[in-house]
Amino acid sequence: GAVVSQHPSWVICKSGTSVKIECRSLDFQATTMFWYRQFPKQSLMLMATSNEGSKATYEQGVEKDKFLINHASLTLSTLTVTSAHPEDSSFYICSARGVGGATNEKLFFGSGTQLSVL
Amino acid sequence: AQSVTQPDIHITVSEGASLELRCNYSYGATPYLFWYVQSPGQGLQLLLKYFSGDTLVQGIKGFEAEFKRSQSSFNLRKPSVHWSDAAEYFCAVGAYDDKIIFGKGTRLHILP
Repeated sequence: GAVVSQHPSWVICKSGTSVKIECRSLDFQATTMFWYRQFPKQSLMLMATSNEGSKATYEQGVEKDKFLINHASLTLSTLTVTSAHPEDSSFYICSARGVGGATNEKLFFGSGTQLSVL
Repeated sequence: AQSVTQPDIHITVSEGASLELRCNYSYGATPYLFWYVQSPGQGLQLLLKYFSGDTLVQGIKGFEAEFKRSQSSFNLRKPSVHWSDAAEYFCAVGAYDDKIIFGKGTRLHILP
């Protein structure tokens, strides 16, 4: 089946630093990628939707200047948490939607990134 | 408003017993429905999905789900659970090409 690679799996950083998370579709092209955030024992909350070559669409309440999303190619999207603080500690998951066909039939998730900000 | 409700936060069943996880949705258009499973610290694995056709959907790992439009439900079932089924289960709804909305999840515990 289709594979979405998310890297790194976990990262620990100091408060005030920036962290970049990559989401790659390994064997298909993804016109749309989604970024989710999950707090412990809670559901996934959609942060933003990114389309290749255009600006991301952020959900209400998500700071676009803090969570920078880039979707420069059909196989790669990145989420950069800028000036991270302890409250940004969370589990971040990406998903990628393949081109062609019934779009949500080709939706695949990465394995997630655990971010811990000290 | 679009929403997904999973009324049970935790469910405990004995190994070998049957399982049903409930999911109700509110969606304005024809829904695409999904069930995902998540093990601790892991991403999501798709168990099954419903887009159209037969309302009883078969998935991986012996799971099935039934779409009932009149009840706005998409409950997940398994006739006999295994200890390895212990995990968090998420029901999700979306449109043909719209974002996916997740329920809050149900944590499944298995008794030996």
